[in-house]
Amino acid sequence: AQSVTQLDSQVPVFEEAPVELRCNYSSSVSVYLFWYVQYPNQGLQLLLKYLSGSTLVKGINGFEAEFNKSQTSFHLRKPSVHISDTAEYFCAVSSLQGAQKLVFGQGTRLTINP
Amino acid sequence: KAGVTQTPRYLIKTRGQQVTLSCSPISGHRSVSWYQQTPGQGLQFLFEYFSETQRNKGNFPGRFSGRQFSNSRSEMNVSTLELGDSALYLCASSSVRGADGELFFGEGSRLTVL
Repeated sequence: AQSVTQLDSQVPVFEEAPVELRCNYSSSVSVYLFWYVQYPNQGLQLLLKYLSGSTLVKGINGFEAEFNKSQTSFHLRKPSVHISDTAEYFCAVSSLQGAQKLVFGQGTRLTINP
Repeated sequence: KAGVTQTPRYLIKTRGQQVTLSCSPISGHRSVSWYQQTPGQGLQFLFEYFSETQRNKGNFPGRFSGRQFSNSRSEMNVSTLELGDSALYLCASSSVRGADGELFFGEGSRLTVL
């Protein structure tokens, strides 16, 4: 079984400041890792995913994440945020085998202040 | 290309009733998953279908059921509604069979049980 812990439920930052959203996971098997974003009253949209290879993954809207196997972490970063980045961000994992089944963290609400 | 369409978007039911939610995936996508989103439990996997077969099921009681039709459209049904079933129900589709695929989410069906 897998589990995901997002270490911060809310993160307030000022516009143009850098941000890091933290995610740790637990799994007895190898996993794929994902970050999804949910804007108000919308569904989720994939930001980026780690399947294999380079541990630094670049996604849409200037976001990137680094997979750290020894620390079982997959933190999301952006060097300079914009008001439009205000949303809820979800880290998720899925087992390599079998059907699609994402296990999500509880989410981190990112609030950008002008 | 049209996105994932979920109907109805909002509905109100009373305890003991049953409800059916519908999901039309992106054209060509054969995998459809359902997730329940609540403030307390977050995003939880309900089930996943591929080519009309349920491949995986989450830890929900038997009151929650689903099916997929030959055109990949999917429905989920909740019988004997309880107050705790109030949630946003999200449907997602994918073009790939494996767990590495990107999920494309609909905007959800918000169910309120009174």
